[in-house]
Amino acid sequence: EDKVVQSPLSLVVHEGDTVTLNCSYEVTNFRSLLWYKQEKKAPTFLFMLTSSGIEKKSGRLSSILDKKELSSILNITATQTGDSAIYLCAVEVNTNAGKSTFGDGTTLTVKP
Amino acid sequence: NAGVTQTPKFQVLKTGQSMTLQCAQDMNHEYMSWYRQDPGMGLRLIHYSVGAGITDQGEVPNGYNVSRSTTEDFPLRLLSAAPSQTSVYFCASRRGSWEKLFFGSGTQLSVL
Repeated sequence: EDKVVQSPLSLVVHEGDTVTLNCSYEVTNFRSLLWYKQEKKAPTFLFMLTSSGIEKKSGRLSSILDKKELSSILNITATQTGDSAIYLCAVEVNTNAGKSTFGDGTTLTVKP
Repeated sequence: NAGVTQTPKFQVLKTGQSMTLQCAQDMNHEYMSWYRQDPGMGLRLIHYSVGAGITDQGEVPNGYNVSRSTTEDFPLRLLSAAPSQTSVYFCASRRGSWEKLFFGSGTQLSVL
């Protein structure tokens, strides 16, 4: 059974801090790992990491895939209150198109 | 461009009642799926479809039915609602295999 584990489950920081969120996976025939941000309602896409694209960056957010350790990190620098959200990690496998396995998410709270 | 539209946004049912959650997308996406999200947990896949006329079960399919008669619509039916089905339900679509998901705004369902 495919498994995705995120840590920590929750995190409270102050504006300006840097945070690192973790996602580890145990799946058969890994294809890609995706990060989503969920504020009040629907999750929205942040990054996709694959064997051919193991590092992505957008503004203050960046993510790296470690294929050897079967994990990924999501970094947020100079955090702002608008970064407060649930961050979800999802893994896709080659043998099952259409199915995403999600972790339980990390709830990030950024205080002023 | 509406994206993924879910109705209703809120619903309260009594145990044993049946209902259908509606989902429609206007992006001509082949893949559609239904997830449920419980407090402190990530998204768990209920059912998914890789094209019109094709559906399959996810992790937690019991108590739910789906059909996909058109590319645009993917309704989720609760046959006999139970308190354990109290949750937030998200419909999602994607253009192709292993691409990012686009989510609807969710349905908050309470079963009393």
